[in-house]
Amino acid sequence: SYELTQPPSVSVSPGQTASITCSGDKLGDKYACWYHQKPGQSPVLVIYEDTKRPSGIPERFAGSNSGNTATLTISGTQAMDEADYYCQAWDSSTAYVVFGGGTKLTVL
Amino acid sequence: QLQLQESGPGLVKPSETLSLTCTVSGGSISRTTYYWGWIRQPPGKGLEWIGSIYYSGSTYYNPSLKSRVTISADTSKNQFSLKLSSVTAADTAVYFCARLMLPGSFDNWGQGTLVTVSS
Repeated sequence: SYELTQPPSVSVSPGQTASITCSGDKLGDKYACWYHQKPGQSPVLVIYEDTKRPSGIPERFAGSNSGNTATLTISGTQAMDEADYYCQAWDSSTAYVVFGGGTKLTVL
Repeated sequence: QLQLQESGPGLVKPSETLSLTCTVSGGSISRTTYYWGWIRQPPGKGLEWIGSIYYSGSTYYNPSLKSRVTISADTSKNQFSLKLSSVTAADTAVYFCARLMLPGSFDNWGQGTLVTVSS
């Protein structure tokens, strides 16, 4: 079965750039998306179709996807960005969905 | 504004069937550009896709759960439902329903409902 791998944790200082990776076999051939989730809340889509931001998501959130790795980059990270981040891919041929294991972003 | 709301029992006994319904308001589940899905999250753990349904009635299930899962839709009520049979404590989780926007991202989520499997 298809798997997506994320680092369990990433730390960043306020104002700096955070990068969270998501690895999967030929992930660049699929569309990747990203969610953040704060404790007790539902996930929120922050990047879809590799690079697009939904309405209301700040410009500091950016995505890329090439080869075997998708990356979420948060520029000028703020304390409010502290959350769990999940990548997700969708196989258009099977309509299967796969989530990465999640990355806890700490802003300190 | 699209809203999704999960409903169903919060406590299910081992070996029984978990049943949840997602009521959608502010948009029709019959639109062709969307799938509708169920995702769960065990306490303190990550997200797991359970399955999805398309407006046509076609269903797609996580292979690891496929033998126990049934997802159906009632377009007249604008609802879709989840049944998970033969549950164990490992099925204890917050269950979310969500809209899957093509090509493949969940853009709207319900608030989630905690289902505990215990005798």
